[in-house]
Amino acid sequence: QLQLRDSGPGLVKPSETLSLTCAVSGASINSPSDFYWAWIRQPPGKGLEWIGSIYYNGNTYYYPSLKGRVTISADTARNQFSLNLNSVTAADTAVYFCARHATNGWCDYWGQGVLVTVSS
Amino acid sequence: QSVLTQPPSVSAAPGQKVTISCSGASSNIGNYYVSWYQQLPGTAPKLLIYDNDKRPSGILDRFSGSKSGTSATLDIAGLQTGDEADYHCGTWDSSLSAHVFGTGTKVTVL
Repeated sequence: QLQLRDSGPGLVKPSETLSLTCAVSGASINSPSDFYWAWIRQPPGKGLEWIGSIYYNGNTYYYPSLKGRVTISADTARNQFSLNLNSVTAADTAVYFCARHATNGWCDYWGQGVLVTVSS
Repeated sequence: QSVLTQPPSVSAAPGQKVTISCSGASSNIGNYYVSWYQQLPGTAPKLLIYDNDKRPSGILDRFSGSKSGTSATLDIAGLQTGDEADYHCGTWDSSLSAHVFGTGTKVTVL
């Protein structure tokens, strides 16, 4: 059974870097497949926002307005992928989810979510 | 960031049917598959519908999806108290080259 477990600090200071990790079990993130590994966030009381994805071959794709601040990388030895978002502001406060998504976009497996608050 | 428009809330009595709309454009819904998610309070979203109208294993046929033009619809029949949740639509947007989601709809069982 595929499982994703996201983790990381719950509090980040403004202008610093938000770093989260998603550990994957039940599938290898570097095996060729029709699936991507994604980060999605949800600001308090708002809808879902796709941040970006990484494919098994290391190719990455990011939401346009976040390009330049976001990096998604993979650690194949540990079978996990990570999110780094720099220069954070209060607007980056959200619950961050990792997920697996198909080529057609649907996300079938999700982590439990990590609430990250940006505050001094 | 929400590119797709959903009604903020819908409600109905137990046993009734609710319909949730998701309105987009030719750059997204008009040319790409739509998926739907149920999000119970304090939990991660759960995939309900993929490729416009397909249900993953384990999802009851009370949940059905459809798409016409630049809009998609999720129907929930035989409404139950356990269906009270937020529902989100999602698809790809070729103008943004990004996955996009709807504004989210809260379903209330009266």
